[in-house]
Amino acid sequence: TQLLEQSPQFLSIQEGENLTVYCNSSSVFSSLQWYRQEPGEGPVLLVTVVTGGEVKKLKRLTFQFGDARKDSSLHITAAQPGDTGLYLCAGSNTGNQFYFGTGTSLTVIP
Amino acid sequence: EAQVTQNPRYLITVTGKKLTVTCSQNMNHEYMSWYRQDPGLGLRQIYYSMNVEVTDKGDVPEGYKVSRKEKRNFPLILESPSPNQTSLYFCASSKTGLAQYFGPGTRLLVL
Repeated sequence: TQLLEQSPQFLSIQEGENLTVYCNSSSVFSSLQWYRQEPGEGPVLLVTVVTGGEVKKLKRLTFQFGDARKDSSLHITAAQPGDTGLYLCAGSNTGNQFYFGTGTSLTVIP
Repeated sequence: EAQVTQNPRYLITVTGKKLTVTCSQNMNHEYMSWYRQDPGLGLRQIYYSMNVEVTDKGDVPEGYKVSRKEKRNFPLILESPSPNQTSLYFCASSKTGLAQYFGPGTRLLVL
């Protein structure tokens, strides 16, 4: 089993603050995905990164894939209550098998 | 509307009573997969399918069976459920194997 560790596990911040979530592994992945999951729903894909060092931006969210393709980060600028949710990273080498992190539960307080 | 549907959404059963959770997608996706989500363990892949009649084991396949007779359907079968299979189950589909679309989940309790 390829383990993906996310940190922090829980995060509670005030609206308008910035935050970074980390996803680390001892394994190399050919691609890494970030999802957001809300209570009672399935995960929803935010982004896929495939190149070491790649940076992708999605409005106030910035995703980075580590140069060695073992780690990734998600940075949120000026967090809003609508950003509240469980953030999951998932790594894959084959496009068939996926290994998910345990998640970061984010609460943004208005 | 493009979607992945799962049925039932909630199920309470007893040890040893065979059950099937259905999954259907209307996006003509080749790839489909089943996951279970448990507190502290995250999402773990049970089985996946690259296309009709092609299935393979994920990380935690023990106690589960799947079939892929049609492109749109990928049922998950528990022949003899046990309490350690109590979990939240998600089905997902994808065209490329990267951008996965998840269903709403099935919450299973095995007594």
